Amino acid sequence: DTEVTQTPKHLVMGMTNKKSLKCEQHMGHRAMYWYKQKAKKPPELMFVYSYEKLSINESVPSRFSPECPNSSLLNLHLHALQPEDSALYLCASSQHSEETQYFGPGTRLLVL
Amino acid sequence: AQKVTQAQTEISVVEKEDVTLDCVYETRDTTYYLFWYKQPPSGELVFLIRRNSFDEQNEISGRYSWNFQKSTSSFNFTITASQVVDSAVYFCALSEMTTDSWGKLQFGAGTQVVVTP
Repeated sequence: DTEVTQTPKHLVMGMTNKKSLKCEQHMGHRAMYWYKQKAKKPPELMFVYSYEKLSINESVPSRFSPECPNSSLLNLHLHALQPEDSALYLCASSQHSEETQYFGPGTRLLVL
Repeated sequence: AQKVTQAQTEISVVEKEDVTLDCVYETRDTTYYLFWYKQPPSGELVFLIRRNSFDEQNEISGRYSWNFQKSTSSFNFTITASQVVDSAVYFCALSEMTTDSWGKLQFGAGTQVVVTP
């Protein structure tokens, strides 16, 4: 089973809203990732968690706040986003950070 | 600097034709991994294959085959007898094993494959 789930599938939010994206995997993977993908572009890495600790932050603005409550869950808290933050947000997980990453279906975010 | 180059922006074929996607990568590492992912219109990235830098054995899996050549830094992917369901964006990706790059997938720009009946 290589399933990574993400909720919600779609999200529309205003620039003053606070919302959260959720990602879950039950494969026993110890590394989890957030990517941002704009239309017709490749995914761009945002954050990497390894053994529930933040190991990589790709200079992401503080209006994006990741959280890894346990080894199966990864959240991305959103606050005061800008319209240019509208994108597909993909979560991925891997056994370890050097192993194959398996992606979830993504959350399509629209910021108005 | 772009480490993974997919020069083909879009390839259009008629069903049952073969499609070859090119990927050229750049790295100074001796240990690295190369990947192909497929992204259909639904948006989910689907893992297809992973190769490490020490395994140049080419492989055929059903209608998919891969050609890894370290001498030319290329990792090409072929779909034989294409089907409409193969229509998707295909990404080549590199993962290096340096401290700063550990865990990072560096994607190429992607190649849109359009298969028409």
